[in-house]
Amino acid sequence: GAGVSQTPSNKVTEKGKYVELRCDPISGHTALYWYRQSLGQGPEFLIYFQGTGAADDSGLPNDRFFAVRPEGSVSTLKIQRTERGDSAVYLCASSLLGHTGELFFGEGSRLTVL
Amino acid sequence: AQKITQTQPGMFVQEKEAVTLDCTYDTSDPSYGLFWYKQPSSGEMIFLIYQGSYDQQNATEGRYSLNFQKARKSANLVISASQLGDSAMYFCAMREVSGTYKYIFGTGTRLKVLA
Repeated sequence: GAGVSQTPSNKVTEKGKYVELRCDPISGHTALYWYRQSLGQGPEFLIYFQGTGAADDSGLPNDRFFAVRPEGSVSTLKIQRTERGDSAVYLCASSLLGHTGELFFGEGSRLTVL
Repeated sequence: AQKITQTQPGMFVQEKEAVTLDCTYDTSDPSYGLFWYKQPSSGEMIFLIYQGSYDQQNATEGRYSLNFQKARKSANLVISASQLGDSAMYFCAMREVSGTYKYIFGTGTRLKVLA
């Protein structure tokens, strides 16, 4: 597709369960970002990949959160032992990191932890 | 450390009027980029405009312009001739060129255009 694709668009889970959120970036974009956005707030940085490696994971809140990008394209954000406070919209973005390097965002995955 | 501050949680503007949304930033990196994004109620983030720290002129994109005052560390967005479709959340963001290319966002300003 032409844009950043995120699946699922909505995920409802119970406290303590494991979830995976998938991001398919724009073809050719080497940089991929994950953000978390709570209601009424700005996007909060989680992790950034350049190619297959995590260039900066300083935003991951704790060791329950993990992300991979094994082939330098699709990325998966993994959350273990979910808590109610993890409920948010998880945004993925990709970029070419050129002169402007603007981020192109997906529509987000809304996670609700009951 | 990088920081973006948007002090206006909400703004109103009359249709066809101009409006300025404030953004101040803090960074120790001499090279950085500043961005504005629009987020309508549907949720998607839409890139509006970019200003590089070394750009001599203020950026413009159609009805959007960026009032860049480097010494004051401000990057205000000006929307001219407001339209009803401009009602949305607006986020200012910054990316340092050195370091890890992390983008940070402000808390946003909710703009409501009145008919």
